[in-house]
Amino acid sequence: DQQVKQNSPSLSVQEGRISILNCDYTNSMFDYFLWYKKYPAEGPTFLISISSIKDKNEDGRFTVFLNKSAKHLSLHIVPSQPGDSAVYFCAASPGANSKLTFGKGITLSVRP
Amino acid sequence: EPEVTQTPSHQVTQMGQEVILRCVPISNHLYFYWYRQILGQKVEFLVSFYNNEISEKSEIFDDQFSVERPDGSNFTLKIRSTKLEDSAMYFCASRRSDSTYGYTFGSGTRLTVV
Repeated sequence: DQQVKQNSPSLSVQEGRISILNCDYTNSMFDYFLWYKKYPAEGPTFLISISSIKDKNEDGRFTVFLNKSAKHLSLHIVPSQPGDSAVYFCAASPGANSKLTFGKGITLSVRP
Repeated sequence: EPEVTQTPSHQVTQMGQEVILRCVPISNHLYFYWYRQILGQKVEFLVSFYNNEISEKSEIFDDQFSVERPDGSNFTLKIRSTKLEDSAMYFCASRRSDSTYGYTFGSGTRLTVV
């Protein structure tokens, strides 16, 4: 039951260019969306979130876009840096304090 | 920056044995969670805990699992009789009630059941 889908398992971009990571969801009850970054042997680290009342949230190099009608969100990282190389998880919940449903993750590689 | 601390980082146990995974959430956080990630699979929700009781649990969280906050600082996950399929990375997480703030996850405990 893949309620949160990250269809691309990996992405490789050149340093300085934009990274666009996509995520789709199927559950209409999801109201709150988050992106996490994970390095090997570490726990997921919160990056940025967006609630369904917004369509964009920006924090430094990271911007999340939400298209509710398409049930699609994306994370833009610009400019990409080699230190951004990690696994990125999209997660969603029906409320800010509810459980998170994660996607399978996408491995981002930023080439120097 | 405040951290969620998990111990041990790696535990190996024999099938059928009991294990206790320990977590120290961030001190002013009110909501506590356990998630797990089986190798190569997605991160899965196990249980949430608020106000000293379970607020939600998944199908995975059967009678073999229990959680406790014994002393107001530690948050533990107990697996009574481990199975081979319990081998996974177990993550503890906590959060404030602030809805704009994401969970803070610990670094995880790698549980290997042999």
